[in-house]
Amino acid sequence: EAQVTQNPRYLITVTGKKLTVTCSQNMNHEYMSWYRQDPGLGLRQIYYSMNVEVTDKGDVPEGYKVSRKEKRNFPLILESPSPNQTSLYFCASSHRAAGDTQYFGPGTRLTVL
Amino acid sequence: GDSVTQMEGPVTLSEEAFLTINCTYTATGYPSLFWYVQYPGEGLQLLLKATKADDKGSNKGFEATYRKETTSFHLEKGSVQVSDSAVYFCALGGTGNQFYFGTGTSLTVIP
Repeated sequence: EAQVTQNPRYLITVTGKKLTVTCSQNMNHEYMSWYRQDPGLGLRQIYYSMNVEVTDKGDVPEGYKVSRKEKRNFPLILESPSPNQTSLYFCASSHRAAGDTQYFGPGTRLTVL
Repeated sequence: GDSVTQMEGPVTLSEEAFLTINCTYTATGYPSLFWYVQYPGEGLQLLLKATKADDKGSNKGFEATYRKETTSFHLEKGSVQVSDSAVYFCALGGTGNQFYFGTGTSLTVIP
């Protein structure tokens, strides 16, 4: 089954404790991205990647890192999480670019205390 | 930069009522336009898309037409059902390779 998977689905952590949210897709897509969803703000793009070893900032990259060492994986790293990063995070992938249909993972609900 | 402005919600309709959710955009070049739907507790699913001016996207009775002259992509459905209750997001895939969402419109359909 074609899908985007994220882990963990739920995470509660404390300020400053490094964490990684994994994202994997099995559709051989080149484009992958991360979003955060906050009430009243919709979804905002954090980072995106056009292909392996090619990443770029979205609208809200501060406090986040990403890497794209393999085509299928695109982990999101919070080196020193803060409470304002409490949010619902979605990973997505598409065939080649932002103009293609994005396929979304199930989401990761992160709470930073 | 590119952006999407979406009708504020929430919207409450009776079953079989007509639905319109307004969406306008600002973009350089020729973006692709999308409507995504998020059912309670779930991720986002593509509802429909249009990739060039005057294209009409349609799915499950929903329609939206890419209007370049008014920079709009309004979502419509002639007769909503209770099962259509969800949050609807207008989105833009820019030529600069970023993806932009509107703030979402919550729709509740009552029997």
